Amino acid sequence: GAGVSQTPSNKVTEKGKYVELRCDPISGHTALYWYRQSLGQGPEFLIYFQGTGAADDSGLPNDRFFAVRPEGSVSTLKIQRTERGDSAVYLCASSRGLAESTDTQYFGPGTRLTVL
Amino acid sequence: KQEVTQIPAALSVPEGENLVLNCSFTDSAIYNLQWFRQDPGKGLTSLLLIQSSQREQTSGRLNASLDKSSGRSTLYIAASQPGDSATYLCAVRAYSGAGSYQLTFGKGTKLSVIP
Repeated sequence: GAGVSQTPSNKVTEKGKYVELRCDPISGHTALYWYRQSLGQGPEFLIYFQGTGAADDSGLPNDRFFAVRPEGSVSTLKIQRTERGDSAVYLCASSRGLAESTDTQYFGPGTRLTVL
Repeated sequence: KQEVTQIPAALSVPEGENLVLNCSFTDSAIYNLQWFRQDPGKGLTSLLLIQSSQREQTSGRLNASLDKSSGRSTLYIAASQPGDSATYLCAVRAYSGAGSYQLTFGKGTKLSVIP
């Protein structure tokens, strides 16, 4: 595709509900990242996929957060039992994956999650 | 733990002025530094990426420098335009120790260019 796309663009849910956020990376990009950006803060790393596997999930805040990328393309970030503190913009990025230390990451527009 | 600080948090300048945005980081063991632009409600657009072996990168009216040993970078914007109004984020990439080369971001500088 032309760029990284994320759906939905906005999600409003109630405390305790389950949500799924979707990311479509740039076609051919093997590396995929999820970040969370709270109001007035910079994005914070959540998880990194190389292909289908989560190479680094050290940024996930707790076990309510989970992400998958079953076919090495689209990824879904899943949040169980949402809390008000989960409200933030969730950003997805992808890169070629040839040299992770130097590749440019291309970001999607984000999903704004609001937990009431 | 790597920390990235951006100064100032906000900046307002008249159109046509040259300006400098500052970024500092605490751990100099980085692979590269990247400057991004973020417009309201939008994702991040990469502006410049400086590898750790480089001192500066230029793109159009933008020039970014990197002094890795002192943990500093600057983004210079020449002849500012109202369309430059956005939040500018600095991010450094380093090995996380957990399997990836993570980007650590600053909080950003919100720039307003007044016509």
